[in-house]
Amino acid sequence: DAKTTQPTSMDCAEGRAANLPCNHSTISGNEYVYWYRQIHSQGPQYIIHGLKNNETNEMASLIITEDRKSSTLILPHATLRDTAVYYCIVRVAKTGNQFYFGTGTSLTVIP
Amino acid sequence: DSGVTQTPKHLITATGQRVTLRCSPRSGDLSVYWYQQSLDQGLQFLIQYYNGEERAKGNILERFSAQQFPDLHSELNLSSLELGDSALYFCASSVSGGAAQETQYFGPGTRLLVL
Repeated sequence: DAKTTQPTSMDCAEGRAANLPCNHSTISGNEYVYWYRQIHSQGPQYIIHGLKNNETNEMASLIITEDRKSSTLILPHATLRDTAVYYCIVRVAKTGNQFYFGTGTSLTVIP
Repeated sequence: DSGVTQTPKHLITATGQRVTLRCSPRSGDLSVYWYQQSLDQGLQFLIQYYNGEERAKGNILERFSAQQFPDLHSELNLSSLELGDSALYFCASSVSGGAAQETQYFGPGTRLLVL
């Protein structure tokens, strides 16, 4: 699976948009970009995923660059409950299809 | 609530002992994955089962084993426990485990402490 690079930590003011970048310069054409988050020691929570096009759901938006070498997860109005570690994962269909988690970005939402 | 359940929530045991962790996947999901999260290793994939059969292995020790039963619940068996096995163990499930766009849903985890 392609490697991802994320900032170790970020802060965001409550109510503002949180923009979390991810670099995946070695991504292949059939690899999806997934975002999960982990609040404290809870189970990772699925946020969003995409292949080429930008995606939006009730939690967040995912912007993937045209060359697919990087992406940005956008939380439009961050709340204190969004404080968590955010993982960007790229994934290719193969036997097993397991996720390989990196170190993620620790996002702190500040009141 | 992801729909994946894990028991027990917490487990404290001694070195050399054996424990069993249990996972029930979301209704309709055929694949179960086990992950280990320790402080120094992050989230590591251990093993995957699909409809009762082992599909993929990751960094799973020989002292660890798993199985998936006909009702699709899964158990992770950890034996000859060492201090370093102390970690959070997560189970995840997905519909089939064969597609790149298939989402995995994680359970709340079991926290294992080996003393």
